[in-house]
Amino acid sequence: DAGITQSPRHKVTETGTPVTLRCHQTENHRYMYWYRQDPGHGLRLIHYSYGVKDTDKGEVSDGYSVSRSKTEDFLLTLESATSSQTSVYFCAISEGTGSSNQPQHFGDGTRLSIL
Amino acid sequence: DQQVKQNSPSLSVQEGRISILNCDYTNSMFDYFLWYKKYPAEGPTFLISISSIKDKNEDGRFTVFLNKSAKHLSLHIVPSQPGDSAVYFCAASAWGGGSNYKLTFGKGTLLTVNP
Repeated sequence: DAGITQSPRHKVTETGTPVTLRCHQTENHRYMYWYRQDPGHGLRLIHYSYGVKDTDKGEVSDGYSVSRSKTEDFLLTLESATSSQTSVYFCAISEGTGSSNQPQHFGDGTRLSIL
Repeated sequence: DQQVKQNSPSLSVQEGRISILNCDYTNSMFDYFLWYKKYPAEGPTFLISISSIKDKNEDGRFTVFLNKSAKHLSLHIVPSQPGDSAVYFCAASAWGGGSNYKLTFGKGTLLTVNP
């Protein structure tokens, strides 16, 4: 199994509070991704990183920010959580040389509930 | 606009029979396709992939077929086993510019294999 650890695994918080989710990898992969999974939507990309301090937006990036200060850690922050951000969040990593034959490997997810 | 579609939310088959999961896509720029399997409370696990230059890829009990002209791919599982019961996601990637690639996921199909 790919060495990916997401923390926390579960979190309940209130609307308007800041929330930070952490993804830690031990594979030294260059690419890291944050997805959210919601019923009826599959997995949707929030943000991704293609190197330390190099990040870009995915299809559902509004309300989220990310940071990557070192290869192994990719943080997802909800500056002011809203109920619509209640979801299961998955981190993924890939070696990604720039070709399209590098599958992404996923962590076990963080279940976030915003009341 | 959903670029990757899994039109069957669920599929039920008998143990030992063939399971066929289908996926359609609309973006002709997709050049790599993947299938992931997901158990409850776990992250998606990479299963098998196929490049757009091929029409078939096989790995043990799992075979993926790609029909580019129809923009259709399918995953065949033979023989099906109860442990195959999971949600299966189809995903596709296109060169996203720069040094990265992004996956677009379907909504998933819940496969139930009955003993």
